[in-house]
Amino acid sequence: SQQGEEDPQALSIQEGENATMNCSYKTSINNLQWYRQNSGRGLVHLILIRSNEREKHSGRLRVTLDTSKKSSSLLITASRAADTASYFCATDATQGGSEKLVFGKGTKLTVNP
Amino acid sequence: DAGVIQSPRHEVTEMGQEVTLRCKPISGHNSLFWYRQTMMRGLELLIYFNNNVPIDDSGMPEDRFSAKMPNASFSTLKIQPSEPRDSAVYFCASSFTGTVGGYTFGSGTRLTVV
Repeated sequence: SQQGEEDPQALSIQEGENATMNCSYKTSINNLQWYRQNSGRGLVHLILIRSNEREKHSGRLRVTLDTSKKSSSLLITASRAADTASYFCATDATQGGSEKLVFGKGTKLTVNP
Repeated sequence: DAGVIQSPRHEVTEMGQEVTLRCKPISGHNSLFWYRQTMMRGLELLIYFNNNVPIDDSGMPEDRFSAKMPNASFSTLKIQPSEPRDSAVYFCASSFTGTVGGYTFGSGTRLTVV
C-alpha cells in the first residue's frame, strides 16, 4: 500500500521555470526521501530529509518537510529539459530493525525546451 | 562499483513457465530489496533481506513467488508458474542499513508473460 502520495500526477513546464511537487503521507516517519526515475531506468536517490529537519538543499533541489501536516515538497529551480522524469517520494518508517521504504506513485515532470 | 546489476533486462515468457530474475547488489551493502512496478499499483515492495536473511515478505503476492539470497552478492526472485498479471518491471535495490544515502536501484527486469 502507498504511504506517500505525490501531487500533481503530471506537471508540464517550460525550461527555466521552477517545478514544485508535493507529497503527503499517513504515518510517523524517520525520514523522507525523493527519487527520480528516467523512462526505462531504475530510480535514483536525490535527497533525504530527516524527521527533525524542516528544509534541505542540494544544488537546484530544495526539499521541505512539515511533520505536523505530514507533507513534503520538492522544488527544482531553473528547470532543464534533462530534468524530465518521474519523481517519487518515499517514506522510511523503520521500526525495530524492520526497514521499509514505501513509495508513492510519482509525479511525471515534463520540461519543454 | 558497477552498481546494482540485474538480469535479464527483458524477459518474455509464456503463461505457466518458470521465471527467475537475478540481482547482484553493491558490494558492502547489507540490505536488499525486491520491488515490482506497474502503472496501476506503482512501486510495491515484495520482500527485503538484511544480512542475507529474509526480514519481511509480506508484499509477496502469493505462493507462486519466492526469493532467495544464498550469499551477500546474489539474490533471485522466482515466479512459478507465471501468469499474465505478473507482467511488470521488477527492480532490485540495495543499501547499507543505518546510512542516509538512500537505496541504489538496478535498471530493472521488464517481464512480459503472454
